[in-house]
Amino acid sequence: DAKTTQPNSMESNEEEPVHLPCNHSTISGTDYIHWYRQLPSQGPEYVIHGLTSNVNNRMASLAIAEDRKSSTLILHRATLRDAAVYYCILVNYGGSQGNLIFGKGTKLSVKP
Amino acid sequence: DSGVTQTPKHLITATGQRVTLRCSPRSGDLSVYWYQQSLDQGLQFLIQYYNGEERAKGNILERFSAQQFPDLHSELNLSSLELGDSALYFCASTLGGHLPNGYTFGSGTRLTVV
Repeated sequence: DAKTTQPNSMESNEEEPVHLPCNHSTISGTDYIHWYRQLPSQGPEYVIHGLTSNVNNRMASLAIAEDRKSSTLILHRATLRDAAVYYCILVNYGGSQGNLIFGKGTKLSVKP
Repeated sequence: DSGVTQTPKHLITATGQRVTLRCSPRSGDLSVYWYQQSLDQGLQFLIQYYNGEERAKGNILERFSAQQFPDLHSELNLSSLELGDSALYFCASTLGGHLPNGYTFGSGTRLTVV
């Protein structure tokens, strides 16, 4: 499975936008980019996913570089409840049946 | 409520014992995945089932086994338990069948082996 690289930690202020980067230089043409987050003592939560085009949903936006070697998860207004570990994962539905292989993720801290 | 139900939420048992963790996937989802999360290992993929059949294995010990039943619920069996098996066990589900959907996780079972 192609690997992703994320910063270990990031800090943000409440009500400000947060841009969480992810590098995936060995991404293949059929890999989807997924983002999940995990709040303390909870199961991972799906945030967003995309293939080539930028995606928006009620939780966040996903900006995908034109060459698809990097992507950015955008939280438009961070709240204290957004403090979590964010995972960027590449998923190939045709190959390994779409298993999610988690890395260490980015721990996001949100300051009031 | 994510739609994925895991029982029990907490389990305390002794070394050498056997336990069964249960997962009911979100309605309509055919694929079920099991993950283990311990403090020092992060989230580790264990095994995947699709519509009753095993599809992929990850870092699953031989002492562990799983199955998915005709009603699509899944059980993870852990036997000859050791202290190091203490962890959070998560189940996830997705529609499956090569369709690029998101995955829904349950709230997990916290297993403590004493």
